[in-house]
Parts: sequence; C-alpha cells; structure tokens
Amino acid sequence: DTAVSQTPKYLVTQMGNDKSIKCEQNLGHDTMYWYKQDSKKFLKIMFSYNNKELIINETVPNRFSPKSPDKAHLNLHINSLELGDSAVYFCASSRGPTSTDTQYFGPGTRLTVL
Amino acid sequence: GQNIDQPTEMTATEGAIVQINCTYQTSGFNGLFWYQQHAGEAPTFLSYNVLDGLEEKGRFSSFLSRSKGYSYLLLKELQMKDSASYLCAPFREYKLSFGAGTTVTVRA
Repeated sequence: DTAVSQTPKYLVTQMGNDKSIKCEQNLGHDTMYWYKQDSKKFLKIMFSYNNKELIINETVPNRFSPKSPDKAHLNLHINSLELGDSAVYFCASSRGPTSTDTQYFGPGTRLTVL
Repeated sequence: GQNIDQPTEMTATEGAIVQINCTYQTSGFNGLFWYQQHAGEAPTFLSYNVLDGLEEKGRFSSFLSRSKGYSYLLLKELQMKDSASYLCAPFREYKLSFGAGTTVTVRA
C-alpha cells in the first residue's frame, strides 16, 4: 500500500511549457507539502497546506501554483517552465503541521526542462 | 542551507560505528528530525528529538543539546545498506529546514 504517491515519476519537457505534478496520500493526514531538491541536494520547502488551506508559502516564483482539492491531494502546477526549474520535487504529508508530526515523503518527480 | 552544518562525507567499514554531527541555529527551534535518503529515492524518517538527551532506535541513536544547537546521529554495526545520505532537519518557525546531508559510504 503506497502511503504518499506522486505522478509522474519522470517529466521531461521544453522551456516555456506548463506542467502539473500530482500527489495523493492515503494516511488520513491533514497536512501536505511540496519540496524541491536541486542538483546540490538541498531539500527546500515550497508550500504547505493544512486542511486544504495554505499555511506555508516560501519565496517561490508565482509560476508555481499549488492546489489542494481535498485533504488527500496536493497538486503542483508550473507555468512557463525554465531551465532552473529542473530538480526533483517531493510531496510529503504529516498528521498535522506541528513539530511533533513526522513528515512522510513521496517517491519524487524528477523534472527535466530542456 | 539555513545555517545547518553537517559534514559532507564520511566513510566507514562494515560493522563499525559512525557519528554524524549537526549544528543549527537555535532561534525558534522546536525539535530535530533525522532522515535517511538513498540515491534516487525519497527521504525516510529515522528519528526525532525534542528534549535534550539520547533517543535509541535499534542500531540508530540520535542525541540533542538544545542549548548548544547541536545534534548527532549514531549509526552502529554498520551494514552496506546504510550507505546513503543522512539529513539533519531542525523544525523552526513552523517548518522543517534541511541540511545538505552527509553522504556515508560503508566499505566491506
């Protein structure tokens, strides 16, 4: 049983295109996240939703727009893709947004922008 | 990143012990997580400390000193499968901040 799943696993696209990554969790968690891991392996928070409400919105270009249709799903839409967007994007979820709530990560989506 | 310091690489022999140190900014601190990440895979949760002291979980232990802004992850009886990156992640200001990770290579 997959706890946190993402689709697609790999995404190769041209500069300027618009793409979406989907994330689903079956853990019954209230909080979901998007992280970006660049080529230097730094894992950085982008967004977090708790009960479908945006609670963390880091300094991310507004070409990136998250959407949470329900507590089990958090999608990431990226407009006008740029070379620098190439990275691995991880979705994660936790029971709640506090420090005692362990975050569980999805398998990642490797985005390559050509 | 985010003023989290941990060594870049460590190498050890199978069966040995390795200690990965991590220092971080103490302002707004609310707990510290350690994650393991194998190449090409997702980070997986290893341990969590919120109070000072040692937390033991099988072959892995993690220590925290809140006043010193210091933690370490201890890996005992190393196995080849422990070759991975280990990420120190303090929880501050309602979010996890990750260090660049320590790549541990276990040799036979």
